Amino acid sequence: ETGVTQSPTHLIKTRGQQVTLRCSSQSGHNTVSWYQQALGQGPQFIFQYYREEENGRGNFPPRFSGLQFPNYSSELNVNALELDDSALYLCASSLPGQGYEQYFGPGTRLTVT
Amino acid sequence: AQSVTQPDIHITVSEGASLELRCNYSYGATPYLFWYVQSPGQGLQLLLKYFSGDTLVQGIKGFEAEFKRSQSSFNLRKPSVHWSDAAEYFCAVGAREYGNKLVFGAGTILRVKS
Repeated sequence: ETGVTQSPTHLIKTRGQQVTLRCSSQSGHNTVSWYQQALGQGPQFIFQYYREEENGRGNFPPRFSGLQFPNYSSELNVNALELDDSALYLCASSLPGQGYEQYFGPGTRLTVT
Repeated sequence: AQSVTQPDIHITVSEGASLELRCNYSYGATPYLFWYVQSPGQGLQLLLKYFSGDTLVQGIKGFEAEFKRSQSSFNLRKPSVHWSDAAEYFCAVGAREYGNKLVFGAGTILRVKS
């Protein structure tokens, strides 16, 4: 069974640019959540997607947006990058009806310069 | 507001010694409780979870945790630590009343000395 995968592994962007991060959920999982983990901190919830719709959002500005596709994979898009967006971005997937029990991918390390 | 506190930023234990990592939460609802482990540069691995029932739960890698409602705590324990347990440990809490997000503590870094 394949776990949650994320791409790319690392990314370096310049302030003001846009970035797209990708996530493939674990087999059979239809819910995807995204988290931002700044250095030395715990993960912070960005949003969750279920059936291709946003199903809950944390305290992040609208320049953080997402998509979920019919195969349950997901994208996180961040526009107008700021230096504080530098972080590890984690994707997690869940089984139907078990949205709390989240299984995480290895993350994408984003550096904004 | 929901919050999760892990009072210890760093803990150092000797290999073979017992371990307890503390977690306290503040939630106005019945919580779902989790412990995750993160090795440097890696994602989070689920160690164990508590939804209901027996308040002592067993997880992977020999870890266990005990839910104490009266103390709003969910402490992680291991009887004998191995060098490979060195990592960062995160307590996380969810609740149906607050949607499907998990709220994480700031983490505890475990160092194991030989």
